[in-house]
Amino acid sequence: SQTIHQWPATLVQPVGSPLSLECTVEGTSNPNLYWYRQAAGRGLQLLFYSVGIGQISSEVPQNLSASRPQDRQFILSSKKLLLSDSGFYLCAWSVGGGGEEGQFFGPGTRLTVL
Amino acid sequence: AQKITQTQPGMFVQEKEAVTLDCTYDTSDPSYGLFWYKQPSSGEMIFLIYQGSYDQQNATEGRYSLNFQKARKSANLVISASQLGDSAMYFCAMPLTGTASKLTFGTGTRLQVTL
Repeated sequence: SQTIHQWPATLVQPVGSPLSLECTVEGTSNPNLYWYRQAAGRGLQLLFYSVGIGQISSEVPQNLSASRPQDRQFILSSKKLLLSDSGFYLCAWSVGGGGEEGQFFGPGTRLTVL
Repeated sequence: AQKITQTQPGMFVQEKEAVTLDCTYDTSDPSYGLFWYKQPSSGEMIFLIYQGSYDQQNATEGRYSLNFQKARKSANLVISASQLGDSAMYFCAMPLTGTASKLTFGTGTRLQVTL
């Protein structure tokens, strides 16, 4: 069966510090991968998605970036965090092409920028 | 562009009662799907149920069912026999047109099940 991992689970970082969040998927190959951010009490905002190694599409302009160095690894990064980057970050995967399978989410990383 | 609207920020239901969570959508795609996810306080998003626009019957999955009214562009989630563990945020979502199965989410409804 497929599983999706995210780490760290929680993170507290000072403004201006770098960020690296990691997501890995097991039990499937060539998945579509997604990064979402959820502000407190709000819905999900799609940040990045990827259909293959090295292929990244950005949905919103921001100081975050994403990379996919391996088929089942998706990394969210920042060189300098802002206060507004605080939130709950969710990684998700889906089969290529989508459909009724939907997306499957990881446990999330709660980021607090102070 | 697709849009999902959930007009109920919060709902209360008594244990063992049924509850309906509203979701309306807007799309110009002739074929589309609708998803419902549950987000407990732990934060993970749990897939509940899917409805395809051409499905002849309303989707059901255990205690979850969809009241899909295509003409009204609504896909309300019905939870029967509510349990305390159903207390969570519930999100309606729809795939965006194009590849990669990108989803657009509603703002969610917080359901609280009471004794």
